[in-house]
Parts: sequence; structure tokens; C-alpha cells
Amino acid sequence: GAVVSQHPSRVICKSGTSVKIECRSLDFQATTMFWYRQFPKQSLMLMATSNEGSKATYEQGVEKDKFLINHASLTLSTLTVTSAHPEDSSFYICSAKTGSGNTIYFGEGSWLTVV
Amino acid sequence: KQEVTQIPAALSVPEGENLVLNCSFTDSAIYNLQWFRQDPGKGLTSLLLIQSSQREQTSGRLNASLDKSSGRSTLYIAASQPGDSATYLCAVLSFGNEKLTFGTGTRLTIIP
Repeated sequence: GAVVSQHPSRVICKSGTSVKIECRSLDFQATTMFWYRQFPKQSLMLMATSNEGSKATYEQGVEKDKFLINHASLTLSTLTVTSAHPEDSSFYICSAKTGSGNTIYFGEGSWLTVV
Repeated sequence: KQEVTQIPAALSVPEGENLVLNCSFTDSAIYNLQWFRQDPGKGLTSLLLIQSSQREQTSGRLNASLDKSSGRSTLYIAASQPGDSATYLCAVLSFGNEKLTFGTGTRLTIIP
């Protein structure tokens, strides 16, 4: 079956630095990718939707200048957390779908800790 | 490795009926279990989150239960409506590798 891979699975960074999380579709072309964030003991929240070759659509309340999303190819989307703060520490998960179907495949998530 | 199964894969019921969706998981060492709704071509909408110490959560017409010892959760939908038609996913956040494992979903169709 289709596989979506996220990397890294865990990352620790210092406050003020930037960190990039990659989301790759391994055996299909992902025309649309979704990025989610989950704080401890809270539900997953959609951050943004990205379509290959175009700008991401951000959900209300999500800072687009802070969470940079790039979907430059049909198999790769990246989420860059810029000038990270401890409150950005969270679980980030991506999902991806093909253009021809409605099935969405999920990555296993990335834990970000900002110290 | 955590495995999450949802049965049935698809379900069609007439409008107004109550229904139950099932989710089972193999490893009971979990932080929480969540139920999501997914409309075609869209991302996830979180419905209910049950912590491992809880047995159920309710929101409107939805009630989710959790029996961690048996590795089961159910999502009960009362008085179904056509707008409830969607794919429903459950997902568990496991201890150890702390991975979010999703079930394959149940595609629900409410017949007007």
C-alpha cells in the first residue's frame, strides 16, 4: 500500500533556530498534502493544506510566516518552523493524497521539542 | 507494532437510525484514542479524543467509548443525518514509539 514517510521522527532544537520536517510519498504522487499539529492531550489540528506547485492554504490562526510549507514536487512537502519557541513543541503529522482518489495516507508524525 | 482495525469498511444506513462504528487495536499501551471524520478530498476533522484513563466521551449526537483492556473503541452516532456521510477514522497514540496509528476507516453513507 501507499506509504508516507516523515523525517525526522524526533527533533530537538534550540529557541530561535529553524527546523525542517519532511513529508514524502514513497510510492505515489501526492498532489495534496496536509500538515497537522497536536499538542499534548489535545486532538490533532489541521494547520495547512498544500498543493504541488502552489502556495499552501493555512487554517485560521496559523502563522504562515512562522510555519513555512513548501510542496515543490509531487513526492515531497516540507514544513519549516522558523524562529522556534518552546510553545512550538508539538507533534506534527502530515498526510497526502493523490489527485485521482479520495484516499488520504498519513505519516507517522514528528515530535518537535524546542529548548 | 500497533495495529488498528476498523470494521466494517463501509456502512450504509437509512436516515434517522442510530449506528455504531467499531475500532480495535492490538497494543493497549496507549496515550489516547481519537475518532476523526474525513470528507472526500479533505483533511481530518477531529470528533472525539479519549484519554487512556477515560471510558467515554460525548459530543452532541456522538458518543465514543474506550475499553483499553480489550483493545476496543466504538463510536455511536444517534439519529443519523445525510450530513454524517463521510469516512470515520480512529487513531491511537501509543507509548514507546509514540506513533499515531490510524485505522483504515469506515466509509459511512446515510441514505435520505
